Order: sequence, then C-alpha cells, then structure tokens
Amino acid sequence: SQKIEQNSEALNIQEGKTATLTCNYTNYSPAYLQWYRQDPGRGPVFLLLIRENEKEKRKERLKVTFDTTLKQSLFHITASQPADSATYLCALGNTGTASKLTFGTGTRLQVTL
Amino acid sequence: ETGVTQTPRHLVMGMTNKKSLKCEQHLGHNAMYWYKQSAKKPLELMFVYNFKEQTENNSVPSRFSPECPNSSHLFLHLHTLQPEDSALYLCASSQGQGEETQYFGPGTRLLVL
Repeated sequence: SQKIEQNSEALNIQEGKTATLTCNYTNYSPAYLQWYRQDPGRGPVFLLLIRENEKEKRKERLKVTFDTTLKQSLFHITASQPADSATYLCALGNTGTASKLTFGTGTRLQVTL
Repeated sequence: ETGVTQTPRHLVMGMTNKKSLKCEQHLGHNAMYWYKQSAKKPLELMFVYNFKEQTENNSVPSRFSPECPNSSHLFLHLHTLQPEDSALYLCASSQGQGEETQYFGPGTRLLVL
C-alpha cells in the first residue's frame, strides 16, 4: 500500500539556521508533490508544488527538491525565523479531473531564538 | 483568509445526535473535499465532489453523509457517531482540473461523547 513518511519527531533549530524536512514515500509514482504548512487549530496552507520532471523549486526562503529515484523530497527553510514554527505536511498527487492528494503525517518545526 | 469558510468551528455531540457541518468556498472552484484529521495520523480523504458530482468515497462509514447542492457549498451530515469519530474535519476546494493547489478551511473540531 502507499506510504508516506515524514519525521514524526519535532525538529528544533536555532533562528537563522536552515531547517531541512524530509518526505519519503513507497509504492507510489506521483506526478507531483506539494508542501503545506499547518498552524495549530487551522487548516493547511499551500507553500510549493514540484512536478516529477523537476529537480528543484524555490520560493523566497523556501526550497524543495524531488528525487523520484530515491522517492524522496527535501524541504528547506533558510534563515529560519520563530514565525516559521509550524507543522509541515507533504502531499503526493496525480493528475486527474480533481486533484486527489495523499498526505504525510507532518513534521513539527520549532525555531527558537 | 483562504476563501473557504467552515461552520461551526467547534461541535460537541452525543452519539445519538444528528448534526451537520457546513463548508462554503468563495473562490469559484469546481471541486470540494472533506478530510478527517486525527492526532498523530495523516489527513484522511473522505469525499471528493467535482462539478457537484461525487467522484470519491474513501470507504467512509454511512454515518457520514455528504451533500453538495452546488459548487460553492458542501455539507457533511452526521448521525449516530462514535467517540472515535472525534477529530478535526477539514473542507478544501480546488479548480477541479488536475494538478493543483487545494485551499483549506479552518476546520470543525468535533467531539463525540
């Protein structure tokens, strides 16, 4: 069965450092992968999408890589700030008439001063 | 604000009650989704509607009954729920044409006693 693994342990880093979150998957051949941010008591908010034929995507301080051979995506936040503290979810999807996403459990990031 | 609203934000109900969750999107999207989010578990897709037609029912128990009267509104009717149904119920919408971002509402926190 399809399985998506994100580090269930919280990631604690110091302000200014680069945070790297991992998303590994098995038994899946996604057409694209998305990263979402979720704050406590709120719904997920879309951050970045990367397609299967793309290696890397950037948006401001965010960078996503996608390795379909390793079946892995890495999500980087450079110059991290306390405001980046949240849970980050990866989601895999395939094209179709409506996107059907399969989500990981998420990794909680805590950025301290 | 993501353009997707959900009411109520919190709901406590007994196992014999009947209640409904409401979702409305103001984005002109054609696809709407219901997800269940429980602690330590990934988001579970429950139902997908595209152009008002149900295109996905992810083996959801019949005590959950969705309704989509138009592309802007989505309901989840609840009856004879179990305590294990307590969770955050999230509604999302998207364009409905393949690879795309989903926009989530804030969710309804449901507690079944």
